[in-house]
Amino acid sequence: RKEVEQDPGPFNVPEGATVAFNCTYSNSASQSFFWYRQDCRKEPKLLMSVYSSGNEDGRFTAQLNRASQYISLLIRDSKLSDSATYLCVVNNRSSYGQNFVFGPGTRLSVLP
Amino acid sequence: DAGVTQSPTHLIKTRGQQVTLRCSPKSGHDTVSWYQQALGQGPQFIFQYYEEEERQRGNFPDRFSGHQFPNYSSELNVNALLLGDSALYLCASRSGRGNQPQHFGDGTRLSIL
Repeated sequence: RKEVEQDPGPFNVPEGATVAFNCTYSNSASQSFFWYRQDCRKEPKLLMSVYSSGNEDGRFTAQLNRASQYISLLIRDSKLSDSATYLCVVNNRSSYGQNFVFGPGTRLSVLP
Repeated sequence: DAGVTQSPTHLIKTRGQQVTLRCSPKSGHDTVSWYQQALGQGPQFIFQYYEEEERQRGNFPDRFSGHQFPNYSSELNVNALLLGDSALYLCASRSGRGNQPQHFGDGTRLSIL
């Protein structure tokens, strides 16, 4: 089993739709969580951190359920510019340092 | 404020050759990590450097080695290149304190012929 798993995708949605991405992680000691977006042939860029209480940034809402080891990202009123691959990232801390583990990503295409 | 910078942007090599990729972290960052991203996959962790030492390593062979310099910049070296090493190589930096997110450079696209 992979350490971080995501919906396989791709997701093709019309403009204005609401879309949800799911992510699960296997290391119960994981300490921090992030969503990154990656445009085609570009580097990943931080979209938002994910906090235990859930957090919102405009049209984007992230949720964390530590008991279920589950992270989600909700995008409301999707725009054409939201088309990208969304990467779930888990930060594991050990005595050796910190290790960011990426999921495989879920590709989103927002259609006109 | 410069972000993470990587060089070169593109590189073409042949099997058996050696390559060195370079990374300068974002100002104020002291921890550098390297990732390999094959087409259609998420980035795979290679290793992380902090205080000029390799602190953690992913599941990559010894052909992959690195270095961090006193100014926090870093190099990734790959020896005896294989066709399967063709990928986007990403450098990410962060501050070593707390659970801060990483910031990525534009990457080096390496093609092995």
